[in-house]
Amino acid sequence: AQKVTQAQTEISVVEKEDVTLDCVYETRDTTYYLFWYKQPPSGELVFLIRRNSFDEQNEISGRYSWNFQKSTSSFNFTITASQVVDSAVYFCALSEVRGSGGSNYKLTFGKGTLLTVNP
Amino acid sequence: KAGVTQTPRYLIKTRGQQVTLSCSPISGHRSVSWYQQTPGQGLQFLFEYFSETQRNKGNFPGRFSGRQFSNSRSEMNVSTLELGDSALYLCASSPGGVEVVGYTFGSGTRLTVV
Repeated sequence: AQKVTQAQTEISVVEKEDVTLDCVYETRDTTYYLFWYKQPPSGELVFLIRRNSFDEQNEISGRYSWNFQKSTSSFNFTITASQVVDSAVYFCALSEVRGSGGSNYKLTFGKGTLLTVNP
Repeated sequence: KAGVTQTPRYLIKTRGQQVTLSCSPISGHRSVSWYQQTPGQGLQFLFEYFSETQRNKGNFPGRFSGRQFSNSRSEMNVSTLELGDSALYLCASSPGGVEVVGYTFGSGTRLTVV
């Protein structure tokens, strides 16, 4: 069975601090996808990044960066120079891949990390 | 292009009643998934439809059902509502093809059962 663990329930930082959100996953699949979503108070889940299990290249996008390490089954997310607008719940998610050419059809989510950025 | 549209945005129902929620995916997307979000259980997968067929189902009782129409719009139905069904119900759309892409979520329907 797949499992995603976000050990940090809540994190509070002061604006301009860097913050890293941790994600550890479990899966028996050799092919899988990892995602990060952001959920502001409005409720909508906003897609941030997708990474497949064959691509361990880490990525930086503006103030966001991701660190994917298959050896430790971790997919951590860092916000540099945090801003008040970054305050939200952040979810890490794992997706199966069906068959040899299937599409992802189910996301397993972690419990989420509530990030509060104080001015 | 328009995003994922869920209606209604809020709903209050009484125990024992049934409810139908609607989701219109992004134009051209053929896969629609439903998720339930509660404070205790978090985000849980309900089911996924692709081209009017249910491809996968989560671990929910038979009171939870869904369907997808030929235009890819989807509805989910919950019968004999229980207090524990109070939740945010999120719909997500995806192209559903061979290439694995992420899902785009709607703003959700917040259901309150009293």
